[in-house]
Amino acid sequence: DTGVSQDPRHKITKRGQNVTFRCDPISEHNRLYWYRQTLGQGPEFLTYFQNEAQLEKSRLLSDRFSAERPKGSFSTLEIQRTEQGDSAMYLCASSFDTVRGGYTFGSGTRLTVV
Amino acid sequence: AQSVTQLDSQVPVFEEAPVELRCNYSSSVSVYLFWYVQYPNQGLQLLLKYLSGSTLVKGINGFEAEFNKSQTSFHLRKPSVHISDTAEYFCAVLNDYKLSFGAGTTVTVRA
Repeated sequence: DTGVSQDPRHKITKRGQNVTFRCDPISEHNRLYWYRQTLGQGPEFLTYFQNEAQLEKSRLLSDRFSAERPKGSFSTLEIQRTEQGDSAMYLCASSFDTVRGGYTFGSGTRLTVV
Repeated sequence: AQSVTQLDSQVPVFEEAPVELRCNYSSSVSVYLFWYVQYPNQGLQLLLKYLSGSTLVKGINGFEAEFNKSQTSFHLRKPSVHISDTAEYFCAVLNDYKLSFGAGTTVTVRA
């Protein structure tokens, strides 16, 4: 197992375009999280899945954002009609036991909206 | 919800000198605390965590942290830093299943 994988690593898109990011968690982890990190800030929680069920969405996640985790395996995060304010690092993490094991983070997808 | 405050945004330090990064948390009955490190253009790597038990927690790469309930602090220390310790460091607290992060401390190690 090579850890949490995110694809792509970098994405440059024009304002108004749609983008989709993928996250492949550690295979035995049933929990998956998306965070957003802007420059000079700590990561902020976006959404959380337990298996295929999306259990919580942050108020940061506007209607233009949607996340899925079909079959409880990989997850996708889509942003529609991107805006410059969406430019950030999007981090995915997975866990089995959040308390004892903590999270394992992926390397992130850096989005730049021009 | 519980939160953390990192008291220093930037910490410059010379190689082989000690370093301390300060983190205070909001008080709660029980608290689970974490320190993560982030190297440029990478994700976050867990350095250490406090769940319960001994207040002195040892982590990877020679880092340790002390949980102080009376001062609501969880400061990170390393007795002798290397150039490779140059990175961003985040303190975090667990709220149910969600991590809440501080704003981060940038450590720059100079020769």
